[in-house]
Amino acid sequence: GQQVMQIPQYQHVQEGEDFTTYCNSSTTLSNIQWYKQRPGGHPVFLIQLVKSGEVKKQKRLTFQFGEAKKNSSLHITATQTTDVGTYFCAPAGDSNYQLIWGAGTKLIIKP
Amino acid sequence: EAGVAQSPRYKIIEKRQSVAFWCNPISGHATLYWYQQILGQGPKLLIQFQNNGVVDDSQLPKDRFSAERLKGVDSTLKIQPAKLEDSAVYLCASSLTGTGVGYTFGSGTRLTVV
Repeated sequence: GQQVMQIPQYQHVQEGEDFTTYCNSSTTLSNIQWYKQRPGGHPVFLIQLVKSGEVKKQKRLTFQFGEAKKNSSLHITATQTTDVGTYFCAPAGDSNYQLIWGAGTKLIIKP
Repeated sequence: EAGVAQSPRYKIIEKRQSVAFWCNPISGHATLYWYQQILGQGPKLLIQFQNNGVVDDSQLPKDRFSAERLKGVDSTLKIQPAKLEDSAVYLCASSLTGTGVGYTFGSGTRLTVV
């Protein structure tokens, strides 16, 4: 079945540094969603990307969908302690109502 | 808009006992999902309902797990008998069919099997 690879698994950054997580698929994706899960919390929807080469911004977060619609990235500029958590990419599966979840990238802010 | 309601928040049971989780999705959301999330992993889909019909239950361990959504609104997920490896957070999510908007998750039930 469809699978996605999300890298890195963990990223330690100093507060104020940037953070990037990548999501890669071997097959073309119809769309991709991104979620954030705070420690002890539940996943919260961030954004959906649909078009080839699409770039969307939410304040310090920039989301990109690759031209071939096989990869995506999330970049956070100048991380803050509130950004701590695990970021999941979740492309749509064969059914548009079902998502294929990556393993997530955990963002850790160094003290 | 009220969110997805789940209960209980926490449950501790002994292995071989049974347990049930309840979920009430956002009003009007036809699609309901149950996910299992083991610590340190991404959510794993157990079952997907469209109204009161099952769309996908291919990853549901049917020998011990069951789920229903009788009136197309709230849903229950049951485990009987529980095993140690069932310790996880059970998340319910709902979505408004066909809109492409992301899922809304409930707060989950943290199950510990001892």
